Amino acid sequence: SQQGEEDPQALSIQEGENATMNCSYKTSINNLQWYRQNSGRGLVHLILIRSNEREKHSGRLRVTLDTSKKSSSLLITASRAADTASYFCATVISNFGNEKLTFGTGTRLTIIP
Amino acid sequence: EAQVTQNPRYLITVTGKKLTVTCSQNMNHEYMSWYRQDPGLGLRQIYYSMNVEVTDKGDVPEGYKVSRKEKRNFPLILESPSPNQTSLYFCASSLARGRSYNSPLHFGNGTRLTVT
Repeated sequence: SQQGEEDPQALSIQEGENATMNCSYKTSINNLQWYRQNSGRGLVHLILIRSNEREKHSGRLRVTLDTSKKSSSLLITASRAADTASYFCATVISNFGNEKLTFGTGTRLTIIP
Repeated sequence: EAQVTQNPRYLITVTGKKLTVTCSQNMNHEYMSWYRQDPGLGLRQIYYSMNVEVTDKGDVPEGYKVSRKEKRNFPLILESPSPNQTSLYFCASSLARGRSYNSPLHFGNGTRLTVT
């Protein structure tokens, strides 16, 4: 099973509403990263949050991290049609003295104009 | 413009015909990696490279080869492609040094490979 799993798998909301996506993971992390992917294109990095951080903002994006619940959420406020994309969390864990980054399977977000 | 460039964007080939997908980055990144993306499986790492002449297997390396002779280039080689290698492939690079993922990954736009 995946180290990081996004929930929901798909989400459709009206333009202007807020969108929340969640990522749960199994083992302790060093950091967690969120990426966006427009259909068939490369992933674009959004936010990196370290294990000792609880919240980070970037424009309309807000990421929270709850290490006690092993979960993170990505909030997009005042959604726009251009936010339609798949969103992936990637967890970074320690692995025999190195680090390993693993992607989840993503949340497909559709913004309805 | 800082970018990761993959070529070709689309590739259709037949089983057993050797092919190479090129990847180049202009950000002087030490770390480069290849991923494949399949429906329901997310992105899975094929190979990665921490620096020139240093490559390591990822989670799904079987059937693939890579080389890192120059810092900017990291080609993916399929010596004898098979239909189960039909997938969307991404190259990525990062400022991260050593075996650390404390910097974001920069992705290319992908190569959609079909093996018949």
